[in-house]
This record gives sequence, structure tokens and C-alpha cells, in this order.
Amino acid sequence: GQNIDQPTEMTATEGAIVQINCTYQTSGFNGLFWYQQHAGEAPTFLSYNVLDGLEEKGRFSSFLSRSKGYSYLLLKELQMKDSASYLCAVRESGGATNKLIFGTGTLLAVQP
Amino acid sequence: ETGVTQTPRHLVMGMTNKKSLKCEQHLGHNAMYWYKQSAKKPLELMFVYNFKEQTENNSVPSRFSPECPNSSHLFLHLHTLQPEDSALYLCASSQTEAYEQYFGPGTRLTVT
Repeated sequence: GQNIDQPTEMTATEGAIVQINCTYQTSGFNGLFWYQQHAGEAPTFLSYNVLDGLEEKGRFSSFLSRSKGYSYLLLKELQMKDSASYLCAVRESGGATNKLIFGTGTLLAVQP
Repeated sequence: ETGVTQTPRHLVMGMTNKKSLKCEQHLGHNAMYWYKQSAKKPLELMFVYNFKEQTENNSVPSRFSPECPNSSHLFLHLHTLQPEDSALYLCASSQTEAYEQYFGPGTRLTVT
């Protein structure tokens, strides 16, 4: 079966660091994605991991461990505008299409 | 226009109405997708088109009928919908072999 788990909600303070975890169980694996979605807006791409390890992009970093079926998104120097939902998605392997399986998303609230 | 556009942004329809959602991508991509996003639930893949051919139908009821006349346009025809079909309908596109999907802003559909 397919299952992607991430916390429903998190709260953090402006300027702090927050880690959003994602665990997955899928029939195949060909990469893991993180998307950011502000309320009422489209999801926007943040990061992609296909190999184990840490990918850093500015204030955002994403980590993957394929053997553990685990990823996290790390947000540093939090800003109020980082308040959004963060979606973890796994790309299934096989086939010519880019089929993504999404988690329910983690709603992050950044407080002053 | 740039990126992925969707019209209308909001739609209210009765259960006996027939309406269509439109998506257009200006990115030169070859694959297009329809997703449904309901409150507290993960993004659900509905349909995938690759080079205008439908490659995925994720067990979607026949009251939803997709149409892809060319690689830039995607429609979702709606008829005799149910109140539980009320949701945000997101369109996305990607290069066939690429990993990143670009999302449109969505159509907020309310079925009364």
C-alpha cells in the first residue's frame, strides 16, 4: 500500500529553526518532493531528493534516508511569510509519467 | 500569461448543472494533471495526460470527464456532481522526464 505520514500542525517562533518530518511506505520510490502551499494558493516546489543525504537551498534544507523511508524539511531563520502548509510527496517508480503521492501536509504557524 | 493558469477561480454549481474547468500551461510541457484537494485530505491525483494521451485515471467517477485537445490545454467537464465533490481542483504540468510539477492556482468548486 501507499502511506505518507507527516504531522498535521506545527508552531514555531520567528527567527527559529523548525524541522518537519515525513515518513513514507510506497510500492516504489523514485524521489521525494517538498512543496509549500500558502492558503488559497497553488503549491510551489521547494526541494527534491532522490539520493540519501542533505540538500541545501538557502534557508531550506531537505534530508532523505531511503532505507528508513524518512525525510525532513528544515527551515532556518523562520520568517512570518513561512507560515504555510508543507506537503511531502513521493514519486512512484516505473512508467513514463510523473505520478506523485502526497501526504496531508503540515500546517506551520510562525509566531512573532 | 506565464506558468499554469486556471479558469474559473471560483465556481458554484447545482447538482444538475454542467460546467467545465479550464487549464492552460505556457511552459512547453508535455504532461498535464488534474488533482483534487479537499480539506484535511491529501492532494488526490485524478487524471494524467502525456502528449495528449490519458495515461492515468485514478478510479475517478464518470461524472468527471477530462479532455486534452493539445499539450497546452486541459479541461475537466463536470456533470451531475454531488456535494462531496466540493473541493479545490488543481491543474499541474511537467516535462515528461522532469521531476518538478508546476501547479495552477486552482478552481474552488462548491456543489449545492
